[in-house]
Parts: sequence; structure tokens; C-alpha cells
Amino acid sequence: KAGVTQTPRYLIKTRGQQVTLSCSPISGHRSVSWYQQTPGQGLQFLFEYFSETQRNKGNFPGRFSGRQFSNSRSEMNVSTLELGDSALYLCASRQAQGKTEAFFGQGTRLTVV
Amino acid sequence: AQRVTQPEKLLSVFKGAPVELKCNYSYSGSPELFWYVQYSRQRLQLLLRHISRESIKGFTADLNKGETSFHLKKPFAQEEDSAMYYCALESTGNQFYFGTGTSLTVIP
Repeated sequence: KAGVTQTPRYLIKTRGQQVTLSCSPISGHRSVSWYQQTPGQGLQFLFEYFSETQRNKGNFPGRFSGRQFSNSRSEMNVSTLELGDSALYLCASRQAQGKTEAFFGQGTRLTVV
Repeated sequence: AQRVTQPEKLLSVFKGAPVELKCNYSYSGSPELFWYVQYSRQRLQLLLRHISRESIKGFTADLNKGETSFHLKKPFAQEEDSAMYYCALESTGNQFYFGTGTSLTVIP
């Protein structure tokens, strides 16, 4: 069974640009969550999608958005990039909402210059 | 507000010594608590969860609701235990809150 796949693995963008990150969950998993990981803040929850609907949202500005497709693949978009958006973005998938193990991807390393 | 605190950023122990990684939480409801581990160059993975009450790789964690703690313990540390450990809380709304992590180094 293939694991959670995130693409691309690395990205370099300039301030003001926008970026789209992709996450393919484990087959059969319908819940996808996104996290931002930085050395100072650890892992911070961005949002969760289940069956194409955003079910939970963390405390991030509106520049961070996401969506989920009918095949459960998810994308995360960050507009008007700032230097502080440089981080490792992790995606996790679960079979169903709650009480099931979350499986993480290897992440996308975003560097904003 | 929900919060998970891991007071130690770095922890070093000698091989064979006991290890305890601390985790405290604040949550008004009944939390689900987890420990996740990230070995070097590997993805984050579940180590254990409090509801299963199992021992994984010799690690155990007991939920102490009175002290709002979920410390991770192992009686005899091994070199392969060196990793980043994250304590996490899942709210009733299925949202995860992670601590900032503790980097454990086991000295040979």
C-alpha cells in the first residue's frame, strides 16, 4: 500500500508569489489534514478536509487555503507569500475522521526568499 | 484553550538509562492523547496512543488526568530511540494539537 505522497518535495519561491502544494492520501483514506512545521513553533494545524469539505481550520490567515477532490487528493495554496511562510508543510491522511491513526507524508519544504 | 506543552526541547540520556519525555496538556473535554516519533530522515509516525494502553518499542505512557500529563517513559534507552518525539492531543472536533517536540539523544 503506497503511503501519503506529497509533491513537490522542495520549493523555492519569492515574496509575493503564490504556491500550490499537493497531497495524495493513502488509498481509501478520506480525511486529509495539513500542518506547518517550523523549528520554533513545532507542528501547527492548518486545516482538515473530509469528503471534499473543510471540517476544521486552524488559526492561520486567509492567505492559506485548501481543497479536496473527489478522489481525496488535496491541495494547499498559499497566496502572497511572506518570508515567515518558509516551513515544512506536512500532510496526513486518515481512514475516517477521528479515532483512527494519522499517516504522514514526507512533507514539502517551502523556502520563501 | 487547547495546548500541549513539552518543556524539554533537548534531552540526552546514556544507553541503558531510563528516559522520560514530559508532556502536559490543557483541554476542557476528554482528550485523546498520542505520541508521535520522527526518526532521522523518516516521516512522522504514530508511536502510541493512550486509549490502546500498549507498550511500543518498550515505551509506555500513562494519562494522568489530575496532573493533565501524558509522559512517555522507557526503562532502558537504546541508541535507536534517538529521534524527535511529539506529544499530540486530539480534540472532540478531531483537530490535532501538537507540542513543540523533544529531541532525544541516546549516548552510547
